[in-house]
Amino acid sequence: QVVVTQSPSASASLGASVKLTCTLDSGHSNFPIAWHQQQPGKGPRYLMKVKSDGSHIKGDGIPDRFSGSSSGAERYLTISSLQSDDEADYYCQTWGTGFRVFGGGTKLSVL
Amino acid sequence: EVQLVESGGGLVQPGRSLRLSCAASGFTFSDYAVHWVRQVPGKGLEWVSGISWNSGFLAYADSVKGRFIVTRDNARSSLYLQMNSLRPADTALYYCVKADDNYVWSGAFDHWGQGTPVSVSA
Repeated sequence: QVVVTQSPSASASLGASVKLTCTLDSGHSNFPIAWHQQQPGKGPRYLMKVKSDGSHIKGDGIPDRFSGSSSGAERYLTISSLQSDDEADYYCQTWGTGFRVFGGGTKLSVL
Repeated sequence: EVQLVESGGGLVQPGRSLRLSCAASGFTFSDYAVHWVRQVPGKGLEWVSGISWNSGFLAYADSVKGRFIVTRDNARSSLYLQMNSLRPADTALYYCVKADDNYVWSGAFDHWGQGTPVSVSA
């Protein structure tokens, strides 16, 4: 069974940086993930794909403030220069033969 | 610009059927796998079903297997989800999602629709 774990919540101040974490179970530690942002009342938006080597490919129009990285079974989303509209739910998702699994999401509050 | 526009949602009684549609534009629909993902209001995202570029491979979550059928019409750039034997637990917002690869189990979800709501209640 594939398990994708995210902290339920995170917070950071306006203008600061925040690093969100997505953890894959040990059996899938080298799988890629995708980060998706869901602002209140809206559908999700694809941000980027992050591979196990830390490389990432961003979606169309995603600002440079958003970046991805990786360490072992952990995949990260770093948002710098936080803005008020970065306040949203952030989901990571992995995939492979026979599965497509989402993490439970992290609600980011911008203080 | 990629657009995915869902339709067909609504209120339906338990045990009845509903057919969702998704009209795609802004990309070569026939080149990519497409999927359905649902979200109970206030909860997380759940992958429901996917179909490969040429309909050669279909996949379903265990929670809907045997009840839902996914199809596509590449000539019309459209995706469909036939939902049978609906249950209250199927109540959710259903999103049409494009993958960046042509096989069901490959590629990230790189574009999302705005969703169509389904409510199953007596």
